[in-house]
Amino acid sequence: GDSVTQMEGPVTLSEEAFLTINCTYTATGYPSLFWYVQYPGEGLQLLLKATKADDKGSNKGFEATYRKETTSFHLEKGSVQVSDSAVYFCALGISGGGADGLTFGKGTHLIIQP
Amino acid sequence: NAGVTQTPKFQVLKTGQSMTLQCAQDMNHNSMYWYRQDPGMGLRLIYYSASEGTTDKGEVPNGYNVSRLNKREFSLRLESAAPSQTSVYFCASSVQGQGIVREQYFGPGTRLTVT
Repeated sequence: GDSVTQMEGPVTLSEEAFLTINCTYTATGYPSLFWYVQYPGEGLQLLLKATKADDKGSNKGFEATYRKETTSFHLEKGSVQVSDSAVYFCALGISGGGADGLTFGKGTHLIIQP
Repeated sequence: NAGVTQTPKFQVLKTGQSMTLQCAQDMNHNSMYWYRQDPGMGLRLIYYSASEGTTDKGEVPNGYNVSRLNKREFSLRLESAAPSQTSVYFCASSVQGQGIVREQYFGPGTRLTVT
């Protein structure tokens, strides 16, 4: 079945450091790919998305590129802030793939220290 | 524009009790979803509704029932709660994609504890 694998963390960085959170996927078709962020006690918020190969999603300084050849969608940010501390989820969705819901990775807890 | 709202925010049940989690969206979305989130497991799909009047099972439907009351509302019912259903439950909604899966918008969640 479809699956998403991401580094689980916690990942601890200093403020202004460069961030990479790896995400790879297995899918039987051509998925849409998403990054969601969850702050403590809250629901998930869409951070960025990409719907086809080589698309780059970007938002709030975060970027991720849909790499079909490596089945990856790694999240990057050039300079993190304390306010970026949260749990990040990579997810995929395939149209007509049965449940039509999203398949999520287990989440990466990011901690940014001042 | 409230987005996706869920009630209640917190609930404690005893084993065997029943309850209904309520979800409503004001974005005129056709599709709605229920997920559960457990530590170290990510989110898993319980049920979804592609449009008003239709519902389908997701990855973990056992022990749950759903009702798509109208286009706005999608409820999740636990008929006889079990400790294994202790979790955080999220409702989500989306527009229907044209051959692609569109982003989903999530509610704030319901934290359920079954003792």
